[in-house]
Amino acid sequence: DADVTQTPRNRITKTGKRIMLECSQTKGHDRMYWYRQDPGLGLRLIYYSFDVKDINKGEISDGYSVSRQAQAKFSLSLESAIPNQTALYFCATSDPPGRVTPANTGELFFGEGSRLTVL
Amino acid sequence: DQQVKQNSPSLSVQEGRISILNCDYTNSMFDYFLWYKKYPAEGPTFLISISSIKDKNEDGRFTVFLNKSAKHLSLHIVPSQPGDSAVYFCAATYSGNTGKLIFGQGTTLQVKP
Repeated sequence: DADVTQTPRNRITKTGKRIMLECSQTKGHDRMYWYRQDPGLGLRLIYYSFDVKDINKGEISDGYSVSRQAQAKFSLSLESAIPNQTALYFCATSDPPGRVTPANTGELFFGEGSRLTVL
Repeated sequence: DQQVKQNSPSLSVQEGRISILNCDYTNSMFDYFLWYKKYPAEGPTFLISISSIKDKNEDGRFTVFLNKSAKHLSLHIVPSQPGDSAVYFCAATYSGNTGKLIFGQGTTLQVKP
């Protein structure tokens, strides 16, 4: 089983609909992130959370909201989807810097992605 | 404003030869750089990283070089193998911000048998 699981993996919806993408992790990491990938633009940060009570906007948060339901769960919502939100969405986790682990490079661990198409 | 740039969208090399992927950055605060590899239908996976206190880091066939004065880093893969065909993302961050990575646009590498 994947350490970072995203659901759904694929979703087609219509303009104006509310959509929720869910992410759960078994890595025990405090930090969770939502990125979106667009052709030619790479990965851009939408929201991130460093613990259950901490939510922060990334570089492209407009039109999105998030909820950190537990250490292991971080969901992304599109309240009213629009076509330019069609993208591949990735959830990721990481350890905080300074935590004593064998190889804490601060790297991100990504889920397999959720492909969203808004018609 | 793209703080991390990968100006080559694609690269094609022959199996056994060297692959060189390039990345430029503009923010002088960046002090930690990473490369991720992404296969179709999978999430990106960490490949190799380098701190700004170094100018080279090697891991098997993969070597990352950092030129701080030029704000440039490169990933060398020697020898290239067909299984290396993937999209490669360069990413950067700075002290205290670890985990909040800024990514480049990605370079698609094709290694031909």
